[in-house]
Amino acid sequence: AQSVTQLDSQVPVFEEAPVELRCNYSSSVSVYLFWYVQYPNQGLQLLLKYLSGSTLVKGINGFEAEFNKSQTSFHLRKPSVHISDTAEYFCAVFPYTGGFKTIFGAGTRLFVKA
Amino acid sequence: NAGVTQTPKFQVLKTGQSMTLQCAQDMNHEYMSWYRQDPGMGLRLIHYSVGAGITDQGEVPNGYNVSRSTTEDFPLRLLSAAPSQTSVYFCASSYSSPPGPLFEQYFGPGTRLTVT
Repeated sequence: AQSVTQLDSQVPVFEEAPVELRCNYSSSVSVYLFWYVQYPNQGLQLLLKYLSGSTLVKGINGFEAEFNKSQTSFHLRKPSVHISDTAEYFCAVFPYTGGFKTIFGAGTRLFVKA
Repeated sequence: NAGVTQTPKFQVLKTGQSMTLQCAQDMNHEYMSWYRQDPGMGLRLIHYSVGAGITDQGEVPNGYNVSRSTTEDFPLRLLSAAPSQTSVYFCASSYSSPPGPLFEQYFGPGTRLTVT
């Protein structure tokens, strides 16, 4: 079975400060890894994904994430946040088992303060 | 290109009523899926489809039915609504399934359902 743990339910941060949103996963098979962002009253939008290759993945809006296989983590980072980054962020895994099994984390609410 | 559209945006039902949540996509995607989003639980997969005429259950299928008669549409039916089905429902579509380098899900704007 697979599981995803987002270690922080809420992260308050001041504008222009760096931020890291943490995601750990558990899986007995290899997985694809994703980060999505959800702005208020909207659907989810893909930020970035790791399928294979370089463990440092760059996404939209200046976000990046690093896949660490030994620690089974996929933390999301941004060096300088803006007010407009206030949103909920979801980490998700898709196991290499075929079919369409998807597992989402519970989400981390990022709140950027002026 | 409208992407993934969902109707209605909001709905209030009484316990025992039935209704259909509509989902359509104009990207010619084979794969479509329904999720529910509840506070503190992220998104959970209800049903999915890998093409017209083919559907399968996800993590929380009880109380919901789906069918896929066309590539474009993937409606979700609530047979007899219960308060436990109060949630936000998202439809998503993708060109391919995992594993696959082209796999990426596109989400609709959601339907907020309240069952009283």
